[in-house]
Amino acid sequence: SQTIHQWPATLVQPVGSPLSLECTVEGTSNPNLYWYRQAAGRGLQLLFYSVGIGQISSEVPQNLSASRPQDRQFILSSKKLLLSDSGFYLCAWSVPARGTQPQHFGDGTRLSIL
Amino acid sequence: DQQVKQNSPSLSVQEGRISILNCDYTNSMFDYFLWYKKYPAEGPTFLISISSIKDKNEDGRFTVFLNKSAKHLSLHIVPSQPGDSAVYFCAATGGSNYKLTFGKGTLLTVNP
Repeated sequence: SQTIHQWPATLVQPVGSPLSLECTVEGTSNPNLYWYRQAAGRGLQLLFYSVGIGQISSEVPQNLSASRPQDRQFILSSKKLLLSDSGFYLCAWSVPARGTQPQHFGDGTRLSIL
Repeated sequence: DQQVKQNSPSLSVQEGRISILNCDYTNSMFDYFLWYKKYPAEGPTFLISISSIKDKNEDGRFTVFLNKSAKHLSLHIVPSQPGDSAVYFCAATGGSNYKLTFGKGTLLTVNP
């Protein structure tokens, strides 16, 4: 069966510091991968998605970037965190098909910026 | 512009009764709809989905109904159990789009 791992579970970072969140998927090949953010009082917002190694699409202009160095690895990064980057970050995967396929989520990283 | 709306932030029902969670959407291009359940400190878990070519989909205690003309869908849970207490998110996507658009969620509390 497929599993998705995200780490760390919680993270407290000062403003201006760098960020690296990692996500890995097991049990499937060539998945579509996604990064979402849930800010306080808001719904889940798609940040990035990837359909293959090195292929990244950005949905929202922001202070963050994503990379996919390996088939089942997805990394969310920032060079300098802002207060507005606080939130709950979720990685997800789906089978490599468009449209009618559910996305499956990891347990998320709660990021607090001080 | 909130394209997927869950107008009830919370819902409380008695164990054994029916829970009905509602969701409205505005984007006519949406053709696939999903419900997710989320416990605190965990990621959302996929529950059930429905394609726009159907108006009903059942999976055990969970049934999703889609009314395309009203741009409305609902999730019915029968019978409700205390373990169903969680936040439920409605999500939608359209055509060949990879993006899921989520509502803000409804907190369901099932009382023993």
